[in-house]
Amino acid sequence: DTEVTQTPKHLVMGMTNKKSLKCEQHMGHRAMYWYKQKAKKPPELMFVYSYEKLSINESVPSRFSPECPNSSLLNLHLHALQPEDSALYLCASSSLGTSDSNEQFFGPGTRLTVL
Amino acid sequence: AQKITQTQPGMFVQEKEAVTLDCTYDTSDQSYGLFWYKQPSSGEMIFLIYQGSYDEQNATEGRYSLNFQKARKSANLVISASQLGDSAMYFCAMREGPGSGSRLTFGEGTQLTVNP
Repeated sequence: DTEVTQTPKHLVMGMTNKKSLKCEQHMGHRAMYWYKQKAKKPPELMFVYSYEKLSINESVPSRFSPECPNSSLLNLHLHALQPEDSALYLCASSSLGTSDSNEQFFGPGTRLTVL
Repeated sequence: AQKITQTQPGMFVQEKEAVTLDCTYDTSDQSYGLFWYKQPSSGEMIFLIYQGSYDEQNATEGRYSLNFQKARKSANLVISASQLGDSAMYFCAMREGPGSGSRLTFGEGTQLTVNP
């Protein structure tokens, strides 16, 4: 299985809502990533988990809260978002090692709209 | 700090012709990796090809090849025999260091349109 899945595909939420984005992979990868992508721009890294521990947080506002319950799952909890947080949220995973390309495999993304 | 530059916001190519998408990079690291990803309008980022900084031969994957010129710090993607399905946004990206679990830095992307 060489697939990263993300749910939901689309999400519309109000600024007072709490929602969660989910990501799952079964490739045995021990690194997982969250990216935010605005239209016509490259993805921006938000968080990196290595061996289920948060290793990189790119100064993301606390209204975004990541969680890695096990090696296959990655969640992004959303609370009190702003309209400017509307974007495509991409999850990715990769193997961990020093001798391989360790390319990141991306999921299809969740298109988030904040009203 | 590392930086990726893609100078072609948009490119057009006729079906069945070859096209080169430009990418230059800047890093002070000796060990790094260069990647190309394709993003169709559906949104998913699709990995195409990888070149390690110590690889002496240019990477190839089917119709994709990477023209790696280390001294010029360029890593151009060559797509041979373009197909209509190649129309998409293409991103060049770099990872510093030998391992993963670290950040990818992306260029601004090139929108490729393949005309019939």
